[in-house]
Amino acid sequence: DGGITQSPKYLFRKEGQNVTLSCEQNLNHDAMYWYRQDPGQGLRLIYYSQIVNDFQKGDIAEGYSVSREKKESFPLTVTSAQKNPTAFYLCATERTTGGGEQFFGPGTRLTVL
Amino acid sequence: ARKVTQAQTEISVVEKEDVTLDCVYETRDTTYYLFWYKQPPSGELVFLIRRNSFDEQNEISGRYSWNFQKSTSSFNFTITASQVVDSAVYFCALGGGGNKLTFGTGTQLKVEL
Repeated sequence: DGGITQSPKYLFRKEGQNVTLSCEQNLNHDAMYWYRQDPGQGLRLIYYSQIVNDFQKGDIAEGYSVSREKKESFPLTVTSAQKNPTAFYLCATERTTGGGEQFFGPGTRLTVL
Repeated sequence: ARKVTQAQTEISVVEKEDVTLDCVYETRDTTYYLFWYKQPPSGELVFLIRRNSFDEQNEISGRYSWNFQKSTSSFNFTITASQVVDSAVYFCALGGGGNKLTFGTGTQLKVEL
């Protein structure tokens, strides 16, 4: 099946631990994005990548890191430096950047205990 | 700077009523795109429509219709004869020109029997 997969769906982390969220796509899309969603708020961009081995910071990149070693994969690491990591994280892809619609994965809900 | 305003935080209607979700945007770009996404309780965002800034024709897709007015910088979304399955959070977004999407804060629509 074509699409975007995110794992795990629910993730619990102890304060002070790093955790990596997975995002995989088989749509052959060039661009990939990570968003954070908090209750009552819109989506805020964390990082995005237009091509392999290249990525840019979004609006709220502090405390997060990413890599783009393969076109299909764009994992997001939430580091211990992120002061308020509990949120819903959404990964999206776009065929090419700029103007096109983005397709979203099912999301990962991260809770810090 | 780009901005999207969805002033309606939550709307409740009874099934079969018509409902309009408002979206007002701000941008200095002459070329841009407007989007609507639906987020059901499962969390995944579902793409509904993309509108090019040069195309002000209204669009209808089944029970959904969109009214784009550049003069008032608005891109409103109407659901005719609402159904319980329409209950979701709806996001309006602004993008284009190689820039990332800017999302509004979303409107929670509740359709009751």
